[in-house]
Amino acid sequence: AQSVTQLDSHVSVSEGTPVLLRCNYSSSYSPSLFWYVQHPNKGLQLLLKYTSAATLVKGINGFEAEFKKSETSFHLTKPSAHMSDAAEYFCVVSSPVSGNTPLVFGKGTRLSVIA
Amino acid sequence: EPEVTQTPSHQVTQMGQEVILRCVPISNHLYFYWYRQILGQKVEFLVSFYNNEISEKSEIFDDQFSVERPDGSNFTLKIRSTKLEDSAMYFCASSVSGGFPYEQYFGPGTRLTVT
Repeated sequence: AQSVTQLDSHVSVSEGTPVLLRCNYSSSYSPSLFWYVQHPNKGLQLLLKYTSAATLVKGINGFEAEFKKSETSFHLTKPSAHMSDAAEYFCVVSSPVSGNTPLVFGKGTRLSVIA
Repeated sequence: EPEVTQTPSHQVTQMGQEVILRCVPISNHLYFYWYRQILGQKVEFLVSFYNNEISEKSEIFDDQFSVERPDGSNFTLKIRSTKLEDSAMYFCASSVSGGFPYEQYFGPGTRLTVT
C-alpha cells in the first residue's frame, strides 16, 4: 500500500523568502513521486516528478525537490517565493505496478505568500 | 499546448437524479482516469480506463458509477442516482501511454453539488 503525508496543511511565507513544503511517503515498491499545484479554479498542474533517476529534481517555476530514501521524504523547495506561487500543492506517489497505476494524493498544503 | 477539458464547470442536481460529467482528454492519450475531491479532503482515485474497458477501480466506484468513451474524443462519468455525499470536485485525467514513468494530465474539474 502507498500513502503520502503532507506535514503542513498551510504554509505562509513572505515574498522573496524560501519555501519549504514537506512530504513523507510510504510505498511497498520503488516509488515515483510527484508534486502537483492547483491554482484557484484551475486544474492540477505537474510541477515536477521523481522516477528513480537523479534524487534532486528540478521543476517548473524554480521549484525543486529532493528524494531522500533514508528519510522517506520528498520535500518541495523554492529559494525565493513569488506572489504567483500562492496555491494548493499536492504531493503524490505512484508505483510501477502497471502503467495506469492510480496516483495517491496527500491532503495538500496551501501556500500563502505575503507581500 | 494541448489540455484536458471538462464540462460543465459546476453542476447542481437534486438527490436521486442522474448526472453525466464530461471530459475531453488530450487527443493522442490512451489512458483515462477520474478522481474526486470532497471539500477539505484528499483527491481520491475513482477509476482508470484503457482500450474501452475499466482497468482499475476503487472502492468508491460502486454500481452507481459508470464510465464510457462514447466517441473518439469524449470520456464521461455517469452517476445514476446521486447522493448528498457525491458532492465533490471531479477531475478527469489522461496519460499518453502505459509505459512507466508516465504523467497524468488533469482537467480543471467539475464541481458537483447535490442538494
